[in-house]
Amino acid sequence: EPEVTQTPSHQVTQMGQEVILRCVPISNHLYFYWYRQILGQKVEFLVSFYNNEISEKSEIFDDQFSVERPDGSNFTLKIRSTKLEDSAMYFCASSEGPPSRSSYNEQFFGPGTRLTVL
Amino acid sequence: DQQVKQNSPSLSVQEGRISILNCDYTNSMFDYFLWYKKYPAEGPTFLISISSIKDKNEDGRFTVFLNKSAKHLSLHIVPSQPGDSAVYFCAASGTGNQFYFGTGTSLTVIP
Repeated sequence: EPEVTQTPSHQVTQMGQEVILRCVPISNHLYFYWYRQILGQKVEFLVSFYNNEISEKSEIFDDQFSVERPDGSNFTLKIRSTKLEDSAMYFCASSEGPPSRSSYNEQFFGPGTRLTVL
Repeated sequence: DQQVKQNSPSLSVQEGRISILNCDYTNSMFDYFLWYKKYPAEGPTFLISISSIKDKNEDGRFTVFLNKSAKHLSLHIVPSQPGDSAVYFCAASGTGNQFYFGTGTSLTVIP
């Protein structure tokens, strides 16, 4: 069964460093997403991506974040200068089509990358 | 800004009984609601959804009820099985692609 994969499973970094979290979405999916979950808190939407551009982003997704689909298979989230409060589990998801009011294209989630900023 | 709330962080139920997980939302523009299940060390997996034109959607042992006037939805699992033990998130969406998640309820089904 196709699945979304994410690497690494755990990333430890120093505050101020750049990190890149990698995701390989399901191959025939066209819509890609990043979410994060700070320990003990809700899952928060960060950004959605379609046709090589951001289609929607939340207020969390500020200038320190960027996303890219560099090679047609990987989907990356870059955090330019990490802060302590960026420590969280980051989930990538993909779907065949966009969510809509009349039908929902299921978002398949990866297992997550745990980011620890020291 | 907690637009979707799951006020019970945990719930324990005997195997075979009904599990009822609750979710409240504040934004009257939300018109699509989902439940996700999450096992440890895995990403959330989609369980069941409901649009605001319905008040009930059923899929096997899982039924989601929507009360629009109360801005409340619930997930019923009947009968509960030990394999249902997981964290359950409800999520809501209005226009756009953004889903708002609750903080999750950890369900334990006791054999």
